[in-house]
This record gives sequence, structure tokens and C-alpha cells, in this order.
Amino acid sequence: AQTVTQSQPEMSVQEAETVTLSCTYDTSESNYYLFWYKQPPSRQMILVIRQEAYKQQNATENRFSVNFQKAAKSFSLKISDSQLGDTAMYFCAFMMKGGGADGLTFGKGTHLIIQP
Amino acid sequence: DSGVTQTPKHLITATGQRVTLRCSPRSGDLSVYWYQQSLDQGLQFLIQYYNGEERAKGNILERFSAQQFPDLHSELNLSSLELGDSALYFCASSESANNEKLFFGSGTQLSVL
Repeated sequence: AQTVTQSQPEMSVQEAETVTLSCTYDTSESNYYLFWYKQPPSRQMILVIRQEAYKQQNATENRFSVNFQKAAKSFSLKISDSQLGDTAMYFCAFMMKGGGADGLTFGKGTHLIIQP
Repeated sequence: DSGVTQTPKHLITATGQRVTLRCSPRSGDLSVYWYQQSLDQGLQFLIQYYNGEERAKGNILERFSAQQFPDLHSELNLSSLELGDSALYFCASSESANNEKLFFGSGTQLSVL
């Protein structure tokens, strides 16, 4: 079974700063997807960014980018020019290509607080 | 708005009772997933249905069951409820069985008293 570890339970930064959230995972598979989901106080799970394991290039979505290190099994999320609306729980998640019996495997989450 | 609808938003019940949570997937999506989010266990995958058939099973208790109907909506049935079943239950949908792009509903908050 796959595991996903987020070692930072909570982080706090000032508005407009850059912040990096860490995630490591463990798998013996070679074809998989990695995700970052955001869960604001509304509880909605929102997909922030997705990375396909076979792609070397790091995914980016506007202010959000990842640093994917496949050999190290590391998948960090960088948020540039942070905004108050970025305050939320952030979950790193893993899914085998083709789904698999585990569906999405989530980490425990990092509570990110953006201070004004 | 993800297009995935879950009802009810909140549910309060007593131990030993049975409840049904409902999920309507996005239009056109054939696959439905159920997840449980609790403080101690985090987010856990329960079960997946694709086009009416069970496709994958995760950490779903025997007291829990689910089904997907011909109109593709899904129901999660929780019986003999215990205090520890209190959690946020999410439904997510995707176009196909193997599609990694999941769209989540806003969840049903279950409180067992």
C-alpha cells in the first residue's frame, strides 16, 4: 500500500510571501499521479495541481508550482505571492495510474495560514 | 461549484441508528467514490462504483454499504452507528473508472451522539 507523509501540521506566512509545503510518499509503482488539494473552511475539496509521474517537467498553475523529485519520492508545493484566500488545509495525495484499490491516498494535511 | 451534489449537508443521529447519504455525480460522470474524513484517521477511501458496479474497495466497514443506481446517483448506507463514525463523508465523481481527475462534493457532516 502507498503512504503519503506531510511533516508540517501547520505553517504561517505573511501575505505576498512565498511558501513551500512538503510531501513525501512511498510506493513501489512507477506509473502514478500526485496531487495537491486545498480544503478551505467551506470544507470543499479543491484540486490545486496535478503531476503525472512519467513527466519530468514540474506542473505549474498560475501562482502554484510543484517540485517533483521522483527518485527521492518528494512532491512539494510552492505558493508564490500568497493571498489571504490561500488560507486552508492542503492535502498531498497519490493515485496509481488506472485507479487501483486504494483510490486516492491522502496525507494528513498542512494547515496554511496567510497573515495580513 | 464542482457539479457534485451531496445531501444532506448535516446529519445528527444517535448510536445504533442507520443513515443514508446521497450523492449525485457531475453530469456525464460514470464513476463515484466515497471518502471519510475524520480527525484521527484523516481522509480515507471507502469505495468506488463505476456505471453501477462496485470497482474498488478501501477501508469500508462491514456495517457500511453503498450502491450506484441506474441514473448514476449513489448512496452510502451506514448502520449500527457508533460514536467513532462521526466524520465528514465526501463523494467524488470522475468521467471514467480510471480517470484521475476527481471532482468532490461539499460533503455530509455526520454527528453520532
